[in-house]
Amino acid sequence: EIVLTQSPATLSLSPGERATLSCRASQSVSNYLAWYQQRPDQGPRLLIYDASNRATGIPGRFSGSGSGTDFTLTISSLEPEDFAVYYCQQGSSWPRITFGQGTRVQIK
Amino acid sequence: EVQLVESGTGLVQPGGSLRLSCAASGFTFSRYNMNWVRQAPGKGLEWVAYISSSGKFTDYADSVKGRFTISRDNAKNSLSLQMNSLRAEDTALYYCVRDTYYDIRGFDRFYSDYWGQGTLLTVSS
Repeated sequence: EIVLTQSPATLSLSPGERATLSCRASQSVSNYLAWYQQRPDQGPRLLIYDASNRATGIPGRFSGSGSGTDFTLTISSLEPEDFAVYYCQQGSSWPRITFGQGTRVQIK
Repeated sequence: EVQLVESGTGLVQPGGSLRLSCAASGFTFSRYNMNWVRQAPGKGLEWVAYISSSGKFTDYADSVKGRFTISRDNAKNSLSLQMNSLRAEDTALYYCVRDTYYDIRGFDRFYSDYWGQGTLLTVSS
């Protein structure tokens, strides 16, 4: 099973600041990686697919990068609605997808 | 508007059974692969089961194989998960999830683009 490790577990930032979230895979997943946002009491929302492509309707402040085993999600300037939990997910072993354990972005 | 609405919330004793359902609307259900993904209280996401658009192909996480069965009725736009021999560790919020196909520079890719709100299963005596 491909294990995804996200860091940090928690990120404490203020609105307007830049957030950088990391996801590392235990083996190469090429670009087959997605990022999801989960707000309290909501299902996850697809933000980024194939490492760097924004999903429909996702604001430009969200960007993804990386390939192979190391990936980054960047939120260029945090809005109040961006404080949430973020998960990476690999599809290299599709349909047996796996997720990282999540990074919580909280207000400092 | 794409909507996935799960139902079947319940409290079940260990060893018991429960069937979850998902009603899909706002898209041509029969054209999409579907999944169940769960989230234990305060924990992360775990993929549980997959079914192809036609229902011909299925796959399961090792943790549920032999106990859970995923199925679909394309005429009724519905997805189901039959869960037997339930354990305490099956306690979770269960999400109905749609897969969408992407052609990325000639590579076939599937990503989970729509999720329901989830339905809660509690396994406890």
